[in-house]
Formats: sequence, C-alpha cells, structure tokens
Amino acid sequence: AQTVTQSQPEMSVQEAETVTLSCTYDTSESDYYLFWYKQPPSRQMILVIRQEAYKQQNATENRFSVNFQKAAKSFSLKISDSQLGDAAMYFCAYDNNAGNMLTFGGGTRLMVKP
Amino acid sequence: DAMVIQNPRYQVTQFGKPVTLSCSQTLNHNVMYWYQQKSSQAPKLLFHYYDKDFNNEADTPDNFQSRRPNTSFCFLDIRSPGLGDAAMYLCATSRAPLAGAGNEQFFGPGTRLTVL
Repeated sequence: AQTVTQSQPEMSVQEAETVTLSCTYDTSESDYYLFWYKQPPSRQMILVIRQEAYKQQNATENRFSVNFQKAAKSFSLKISDSQLGDAAMYFCAYDNNAGNMLTFGGGTRLMVKP
Repeated sequence: DAMVIQNPRYQVTQFGKPVTLSCSQTLNHNVMYWYQQKSSQAPKLLFHYYDKDFNNEADTPDNFQSRRPNTSFCFLDIRSPGLGDAAMYLCATSRAPLAGAGNEQFFGPGTRLTVL
C-alpha cells in the first residue's frame, strides 16, 4: 500500500517570504500522480498543483512550484512571495493511476505572519 | 458556477439517532466520494461511486451507508451515530478515471457533525 508522509505538522513564514513544505511517499509504481491540496480554515479544499510522475519537469502554478524527485520519492511544495491568504492546511496526496483514489499525507498547517 | 454543495453545513444529532448528510454537484462528474475528516487530520475515504457502482473501503464501519439516486446527488447515512463519529464529512467529485488521467477532485465545504 502507498503511504504519504508530511514530516512538518506546522510551518510558519513571514509575509512576502518563501516557504517549502515537505512530502515523501512510498510506492512501487512507476506511473502515478501527485497533488498538493490547500484547505483554508472553514473553507473547502482546493487543488494547488498537480504533477505527473512521467514528467521530469517540475509543475508550476504562479507562486506555487514543486520539487519532484522521483528516485528519492520526494515532492515538496514551494510557495514564493507568501500572502496572508496562503494560511491553511496543506495536504500532499498520491494517486496511483488506478481510479482517482487519493492517499493523503497527514497535513502541514502553514501560518503566515504579517 | 459549477460546484459541489453540501447540506447542512452543521448538523447536531443525538447518540444513536440516525442522521443523513447530503451532497449535490453541478459538475456532472461520474465519480463521487465521501470522506471523514477528524480535527487536524487527513481526510479518510469512506466510499465512492463510479456512476451507480458503489465501492466501500474495507475499514468503513457498517454504521455508514450511502445512496446515489442520480448523477447529481449523493447521501451519507449514519445509522446509529456514536461519539466517535463526530467529524467533518467531505463530499468530493471527479471526472471518470481514464487511463493516465489523475483527475482533480473537487470538494464541497463539508458538513460538521456533532454527536451529543
């Protein structure tokens, strides 16, 4: 079974600074998808960024980018120019390409200081 | 806007009193999911529907049932809620999983269930 580990329960960043959230996963598959989802307080979970394992190029969405290291089974999220609205729980998730089933990590709570 | 709607947002029930949570979607997605999320934890998948095909996770308690009468609606029934069932319940949808798709899941705002 796949497992996803987020080793940082909480992170803090100063507004306008950069922060990196860590995620590692365990799988024997070669083809899969990885996601970062954001869950703001009292609001619904939304997709931040998505990475296909067969693509070597790291995904980027505006201020959000990933560092995908397939051999190391690592998938970190970098948030540049942090904003107050980035404060949320961030979940790393794995999809084994067999039916849109997600395995979530335990989450990292990001606090943004003004 | 296309979206996933959950009603009610907050539900209070008594120990052992059946409760139903509802989810509707305007995205016309084939797949609908129910997750249970306890405080500051990751969502835990309870079951999902691929169209009308129901798929139960192996460790989902028998106390939890689900119905999907049509594409747009899905219900979560908790037959005899216990104190341990107090949680946020999230509904999500996605397009049909095609080979190599890795489709995004779209989440509703959740229903917070309190059991007294």
